[in-house]
Amino acid sequence: RKEVEQDPGPFNVPEGATVAFNCTYSNSASQSFFWYRQDCRKEPKLLMSVYSSGNEDGRFTAQLNRASQYISLLIRDSKLSDSATYLCVVNIGGSYIPTFGRGTSLIVHP
Amino acid sequence: DAGITQSPRHKVTETGTPVTLRCHQTENHRYMYWYRQDPGHGLRLIHYSYGVKDTDKGEVSDGYSVSRSKTEDFLLTLESATSSQTSVYFCAISESSGLARANTGELFFGEGSRLTVL
Repeated sequence: RKEVEQDPGPFNVPEGATVAFNCTYSNSASQSFFWYRQDCRKEPKLLMSVYSSGNEDGRFTAQLNRASQYISLLIRDSKLSDSATYLCVVNIGGSYIPTFGRGTSLIVHP
Repeated sequence: DAGITQSPRHKVTETGTPVTLRCHQTENHRYMYWYRQDPGHGLRLIHYSYGVKDTDKGEVSDGYSVSRSKTEDFLLTLESATSSQTSVYFCAISESSGLARANTGELFFGEGSRLTVL
């Protein structure tokens, strides 16, 4: 079983829709969690960190569920520019070796 | 944006030839990583470094070696390139002051090096 798992999608949604992605992790010692965004043929860039209390940045909300070992990303009022691949990243406690999920592809259409 | 550059950005080579990819940073970050990205596999760690001359293997290190003789440079070498090493290679650096409280764990990536082995 892969340490970090994501549904590869693609999620195909109309503009204005709300869409949510989940990411599950297998190591209960995981302590740091992130969502990265990667545009086609570009490098990944940090979208947001995921804190235990959850966090929100504009239209984006990230949540952590330690009991069930998953993190989620919610995008409200989707824009065409949100089309990208969203990567889940997990750091095991005490380690600086981030583990990436394979990514979830989002396509927002007019 | 973090100062991180990769070179070359594109390279086409033949099977059996040596290839070196360079990652250069101007941020004085302690941690540096080399990843490869392939369809269906996502980003996979090849090697990483946690300081000058301190390196370790990642999950797909076979066929690759690295060196870090100074903080700012992390070199990835394919001693004898194979077609299975055709990929996009990303270098990343991690912010760390040595204080756990200050370490956000965010990775900053270079723009990638696209390698084709014929």
